Amino acid sequence: SQQGEEDPQALSIQEGENATMNCSYKTSINNLQWYRQNSGRGLVHLILIRSNEREKHSGRLRVTLDTSKKSSSLLITASRAADTASYFCATRRGSTLGRLYFGRGTQLTVWP
Amino acid sequence: NAGVTQTPKFRVLKTGQSMTLLCAQDMNHEYMYWYRQDPGMGLRLIHYSVGEGTTAKGEVPDGYNVSRLKKQNFLLGLESAAPSQTSVYFCASSYSGGVVNEQFFGPGTRLTVL
Repeated sequence: SQQGEEDPQALSIQEGENATMNCSYKTSINNLQWYRQNSGRGLVHLILIRSNEREKHSGRLRVTLDTSKKSSSLLITASRAADTASYFCATRRGSTLGRLYFGRGTQLTVWP
Repeated sequence: NAGVTQTPKFRVLKTGQSMTLLCAQDMNHEYMYWYRQDPGMGLRLIHYSVGEGTTAKGEVPDGYNVSRLKKQNFLLGLESAAPSQTSVYFCASSYSGGVVNEQFFGPGTRLTVL
């Protein structure tokens, strides 16, 4: 069964605004990853945060992880039209050699 | 580097036909995965491989078989296609199964079963 649940399912904002997406999961994890999928394309890895980390930054991306609440958030600052895509969280559990469990994704639309 | 490639990109099958999807990676990755993606759903793992000659079942393995005869290739077979197998199929690979194991994805194969 899928591990993560993203929220919201869809998000529509203007260029320059910040976009925040949330992910909740059910079991303990080793790490949590965020991926982006442009329409009709494969997924691209964005950022990974380990279970012992609370926050991580990469360019305009900021990820937080709260293991006590089993939740993570992805913040994209100063959004651009090119950020329009689906965003998925994926979790890695302890004993599942390489396997990731994906959520259903958040569809982000950034209007010029 | 081409990364992860998949062939074919599109395919239409009739119910009961068989086909093989090919995934190739040139990154010398040990681990390879096959997922399916359906509308409004995330990715669901069909089968995966932790090395040449090994395969294992994922969440939704029924109706599919896989083989990993060469490290760089991972084949997904449908022996008798059913309309429920209409989906977009993604192959992915990762260097290892370690804690820091980002996956690299191919562009996908869109399969329609009539």
